[in-house]
Amino acid sequence: EVKLEESGGGLVQPGGSLRLSCAASGFTFRSYEMNWVRQAPGKGLEWVSYISSSGNTIYDADSVKGRFTISRDNAKNSLYLQMNSLRAEDTAVYYCTRDRSPEEMGTPQAFDIWGQGTMVTVSP
Amino acid sequence: DIQMTQSPSSLSASVGDRVTITCRASQSINNCLNWYQQKPGKAPKLLIYAASSLQSGVPSRFSGRMSGTDFTLTISSLQPEDFATYYCQQSYSTPLTFGGGTKVEIK
Repeated sequence: EVKLEESGGGLVQPGGSLRLSCAASGFTFRSYEMNWVRQAPGKGLEWVSYISSSGNTIYDADSVKGRFTISRDNAKNSLYLQMNSLRAEDTAVYYCTRDRSPEEMGTPQAFDIWGQGTMVTVSP
Repeated sequence: DIQMTQSPSSLSASVGDRVTITCRASQSINNCLNWYQQKPGKAPKLLIYAASSLQSGVPSRFSGRMSGTDFTLTISSLQPEDFATYYCQQSYSTPLTFGGGTKVEIK
């Protein structure tokens, strides 16, 4: 079964840090580009970060640039999101997603596999 | 950034109805438009990619079309399991952007 499972969410104070992890299984992780997408409570979807299959190309949303860092360990079939200088507006469910095509496109495309999400709450 | 304007924001429909949701891009995005379905408390699910290609396993009652910068998602005969929120997303350029969503409710 193709699966993504996020972990690492929780309650953190403003200005704090958190590291999210996403464990991939059931497919050749190193062949796929990956992303993080978030959804604030009761709101729509917001793309956060993209990383190419090799890890050499990264794109971030302006809202997280300089604060969040996406990375991956292909040997461990894992995707990460290091979140620093957290703000109240970062409160959201964070989803790990897989790009649909196993070819390296160099930019994010359509997301065919999503994890169940992990909640991050930034509050005093 | 490319803005995606989705309409309507909500609609009420009955089982068996034909439903159309529209998404307009603020500039040309070729066919780089994807549609997702999200049910409460669940992760989104990819329905349509590249404007009109049906994702594997998605029922054929879902279809997508493009006309210039206007894109439509059509459900030909609404089923009980289709009541959900639908989002469009452009993948033409970063930052990827989503429409605001369309909530399809039971009439």
